[in-house]
Amino acid sequence: GDSVTQMEGPVTLSEEAFLTINCTYTATGYPSLFWYVQYPGEGLQLLLKATKADDKGSNKGFEATYRKETTSFHLEKGSVQVSDSAVYFCALSDLGGYNKLIFGAGTRLAVHP
Amino acid sequence: DAGVIQSPRHEVTEMGQEVTLRCKPISGHDYLFWYRQTMMRGLELLIYFNNNVPIDDSGMPEDRFSAKMPNASFSTLKIQPSEPRDSAVYFCASSLTGRVKTDTQYFGPGTRLTVL
Repeated sequence: GDSVTQMEGPVTLSEEAFLTINCTYTATGYPSLFWYVQYPGEGLQLLLKATKADDKGSNKGFEATYRKETTSFHLEKGSVQVSDSAVYFCALSDLGGYNKLIFGAGTRLAVHP
Repeated sequence: DAGVIQSPRHEVTEMGQEVTLRCKPISGHDYLFWYRQTMMRGLELLIYFNNNVPIDDSGMPEDRFSAKMPNASFSTLKIQPSEPRDSAVYFCASSLTGRVKTDTQYFGPGTRLTVL
């Protein structure tokens, strides 16, 4: 079945460092891809999404490009802040039921001053 | 808007007890989702409703779990009897149309359940 694989965390960075969190997926067809973020004590929030190949989603300085050839949707940010510390989830839409999201395991990011 | 509201935020109970988790979706949203988050299995969809009607409950782990949505502003997830392996964070989410391609699911803060 469809699945999402994320790099294991935690990822620990200093403020202003470059961030990459890898995400690859397995799916039949062409799902939509998402990044969600979960701040401590809160629910998940949609960070960005891309609905077709070569689309780039972006928000709050984060970017991810839908790469069909490598089945990847890596999250990047050029300069992280302490406030970016959170857990990041990659997800895809289940084509079998368009309301369903399939999530990766999540990657914890800790940014130190 | 208050967002999705869940209660309680934390629940500690003993094995065998009944547990009821509550959710109030965002007003006007027609779709409501229940998820479970564990270290072992990550974030899983348990069930979702459209206009108060359960559409897909294939993620519900077993008969001990049940979910209801008696009206557009309230849903419950019940576990009876509870077991230690049910310990997890349970999230409720809602969306306007349910189409993840064009719509957004809004998550509540979650209920952390601990079954001793």
